[in-house]
Amino acid sequence: GAGVSQSPSNKVTEKGKDVELRCDPISGHTALYWYRQSLGQGLEFLIYFQGNSAPDKSGLPSDRFSAERTGGSVSTLTIQRTQQEDSAVYLCASSLEGTGLYGYTFGSGTRLTVV
Amino acid sequence: GENVEQHPSTLSVQEGDSAVIKCTYSDSASNYFPWYKQELGKGPQLIIDIRSNVGEKKDQRIAVTLNKTAKHFSLHITETQPEDSAVYFCAASGYTNAGKSTFGDGTTLTVKP
Repeated sequence: GAGVSQSPSNKVTEKGKDVELRCDPISGHTALYWYRQSLGQGLEFLIYFQGNSAPDKSGLPSDRFSAERTGGSVSTLTIQRTQQEDSAVYLCASSLEGTGLYGYTFGSGTRLTVV
Repeated sequence: GENVEQHPSTLSVQEGDSAVIKCTYSDSASNYFPWYKQELGKGPQLIIDIRSNVGEKKDQRIAVTLNKTAKHFSLHITETQPEDSAVYFCAASGYTNAGKSTFGDGTTLTVKP
């Protein structure tokens, strides 16, 4: 597609449930990133995929968070046993390469609310 | 790792005035500096970027300057319009960041008509 697509756009879940967030990057972009943005806050790095390399998981806040990227394209971020502090907007971005020399194209995000 | 500081956190200007947002970074190996604009309910959008071999870049009403010696870069918006109101993020990255951009905390710009 022309841009980065994220689904769902909004998700309300009960505390303790698992959720899956999906990201469709721009075709041909080899790098894919997940960030979290709490209300009125900055961008918190979560995880980064580059080609076939092992992902950089250094930003995942706990072992309840995991992500995978299938076939070098679509990525899914999974949060298990959701907590209220997980409520935030989850942003996905892709980049032409993972060299740090190209800008990101962000999706519109998934707003997660844990009640 | 890289650390990016952004100032001010909020900025209010009158329509037609100029706005300047400043960022400093810590890793001298960083060599790519993008700026993003985030409107309410949307993801950040890349509006301009600069690489370390260039000191200044301009695109219509927006310009970015880079001082590698001092490790700071700035976004300049001239002739501001109400539609420029948004949150602006600076970022820094390079090979040593393993490809990840480090973002500033953002500046909320309000342009009053």
